[in-house]
Amino acid sequence: DAGVIQSPRHEVTEMGQEVTLRCKPISGHNSLFWYRQTMMRGLELLIYFNNNVPIDDSGMPEDRFSAKMPNASFSTLKIQPSEPRDSAVYFCASSLGAGNEKLFFGSGTQLSVL
Amino acid sequence: GENVEQHPSTLSVQEGDSAVIKCTYSDSASNYFPWYKQELGKRPQLIIDIRSNVGEKKDQRIAVTLNKTAKHFSLHITETQPEDSAVYFCAASRNFNKFYFGSGTKLNVKP
Repeated sequence: DAGVIQSPRHEVTEMGQEVTLRCKPISGHNSLFWYRQTMMRGLELLIYFNNNVPIDDSGMPEDRFSAKMPNASFSTLKIQPSEPRDSAVYFCASSLGAGNEKLFFGSGTQLSVL
Repeated sequence: GENVEQHPSTLSVQEGDSAVIKCTYSDSASNYFPWYKQELGKRPQLIIDIRSNVGEKKDQRIAVTLNKTAKHFSLHITETQPEDSAVYFCAASRNFNKFYFGSGTKLNVKP
């Protein structure tokens, strides 16, 4: 298995633009997590899904952020409109769930909002 | 919610020495504690983990200890090597759902 796959690896955009980050979890994994990493705040959990259903989105910073998981093999994190303070590395991670706890991270998307 | 604190934020050791990183957690119901290593520009990778029914776990040069009463757990790296240089994150989870991460420790192993 190729692991958790994220795209794009790097995204540079201008303030106000819409940004869409994509994630393909490991096949067979039932839980998917979106994290944001910054120097100031470390690794923050934004939202997580279990069996494609959003379970906890309390970490989503604002209404500008939204996430979807239309099927077991794909998830998106959207920021609209983007702001410079959204600049960070966004990681997607997945786990088997159901008591199998190991969390596997994707390579991340480095987002820069100018 | 859970609050995980990690110390120190930076740690510099001489090659061959041991390194210890400590974390505390607030939620007594947390029952799973993984440690991740993140090299510069790369993804965090799981290096060792421990469940709450175990007090210690070892994997070659890496060991983790857990004190449930005091709500703290530690990562121990013996015989450090330059390739151990990275940022290490602890995390706590209740029933393997939300994972709360510490702020990270930047370990520098000097050759």
